[in-house]
Amino acid sequence: GAGVSQSPSNKVTEKGKDVELRCDPISGHTALYWYRQSLGQGLEFLIYFQGNSAPDKSGLPSDRFSAERTGGSVSTLTIQRTQQEDSAVYLCASSLGTGLSTDTQYFGPGTRLTVL
Amino acid sequence: AQSVTQLGSHVSVSEGALVLLRCNYSSSVPPYLFWYVQYPNQGLQLLLKYTSAATLVKGINGFEAEFKKSETSFHLTKPSAHMSDAAEYFCAVSESGGSEKLVFGKGMKLTVNP
Repeated sequence: GAGVSQSPSNKVTEKGKDVELRCDPISGHTALYWYRQSLGQGLEFLIYFQGNSAPDKSGLPSDRFSAERTGGSVSTLTIQRTQQEDSAVYLCASSLGTGLSTDTQYFGPGTRLTVL
Repeated sequence: AQSVTQLGSHVSVSEGALVLLRCNYSSSVPPYLFWYVQYPNQGLQLLLKYTSAATLVKGINGFEAEFKKSETSFHLTKPSAHMSDAAEYFCAVSESGGSEKLVFGKGMKLTVNP
């Protein structure tokens, strides 16, 4: 079956512009995660959705970042007024949501964002 | 707060040599521990995970890792490196019974020389 897909694969934008990044999780996965992979910084957790529960937004770096998940499936990460430090690879993952002891997060290929 | 330390950013081994990638964690509660691999231009793939069962965990592609509570370590090993093992490896931790989010180390790029 299809894995996690993300679009676009690459995005180049100018400083100050807004961008939207899309994630299509694996069908049937109730949990969805966004991470950011910056050069030399590893992966940072951004936000986590689980079913109809309120999302865990504790990793969002500023109020310029927001995410939504419509219909419990597709998710969009929005970055407003982009800054050069937002340049990174944004990774989406999904899982069954049964808990880490039995579950696995499956990652998409990422969206490489470059802010000029 | 949880954290993961992967000392260094790059390791190079010869084909057929032992692979040892170090990971140390800090967690105030019993952790879940993970190793992920990222091949060039691909997404992360789970190699193995520790969830408080056996301390020696076997994963895919001949990799294994041992949880050592006394050393707060979860080092990844493979007895004999293959050229196809060249990739970036990430160690991650999460709190058992807590949030599902993972805290990752900065990654280690493995080069395998012929």
